[in-house]
Amino acid sequence: AQKITQTQPGMFVQEKEAVTLDCTYDTSDPSYGLFWYKQPSSGEMIFLIYQGSYDQQNATEGRYSLNFQKARKSANLVISASQLGDSAMYFCAMREGMNTGFQKLVFGTGTRLLVSP
Amino acid sequence: DTGVSQNPRHKITKRGQNVTFRCDPISEHNRLYWYRQTLGQGPEFLTYFQNEAQLEKSRLLSDRFSAERPKGSFSTLEIQRTEQGDSAMYLCASSLSLGLKNIQYFGAGTRLSVL
Repeated sequence: AQKITQTQPGMFVQEKEAVTLDCTYDTSDPSYGLFWYKQPSSGEMIFLIYQGSYDQQNATEGRYSLNFQKARKSANLVISASQLGDSAMYFCAMREGMNTGFQKLVFGTGTRLLVSP
Repeated sequence: DTGVSQNPRHKITKRGQNVTFRCDPISEHNRLYWYRQTLGQGPEFLTYFQNEAQLEKSRLLSDRFSAERPKGSFSTLEIQRTEQGDSAMYLCASSLSLGLKNIQYFGAGTRLSVL
């Protein structure tokens, strides 16, 4: 079964608007972490934001926030005030067994975001 | 503080040849990871080192693949007898094992094309 599902292959947004990128996940492990990475055309994966399964508050990092709905197993990324430089692929990832030492990240297939002027 | 460095950035080889990639992690990061990313997909985990010990290996890492981290600093990934299906971006990441978060920071990758 797909562990990370990103159903939006592409999203378009105008500069200065907010955009939500969807991510749903599947795990039976109570201890897991959710990550969002940005991959520009240069190829480097840039870490954006992290949410732990036991975190009570939704994570925020500058213009990025994570809408974490544990019961629905969703971890959507919200980018506020989009900028042209936000155009890139965005990947959602999960690490299970956070307290057992497993390190493998499992990624979704990504969403391509295009920000227009 | 320099990021994760990978060399070469691009490699073109003929089927059947051996190739080796190098990854230099962020200094003081004790964990190092290799992932493979094919077109239109997210990265897939290959293997992970803590210091010089290789602690996890994916089934994707066939016996033609070998990774080393001899002194717990840089790492090499070798692919022997390359096949066209090995064409992909090979990404390296590193992290510092402090707390549960353990954020993995990635390099820009080595793009392999097997002709």
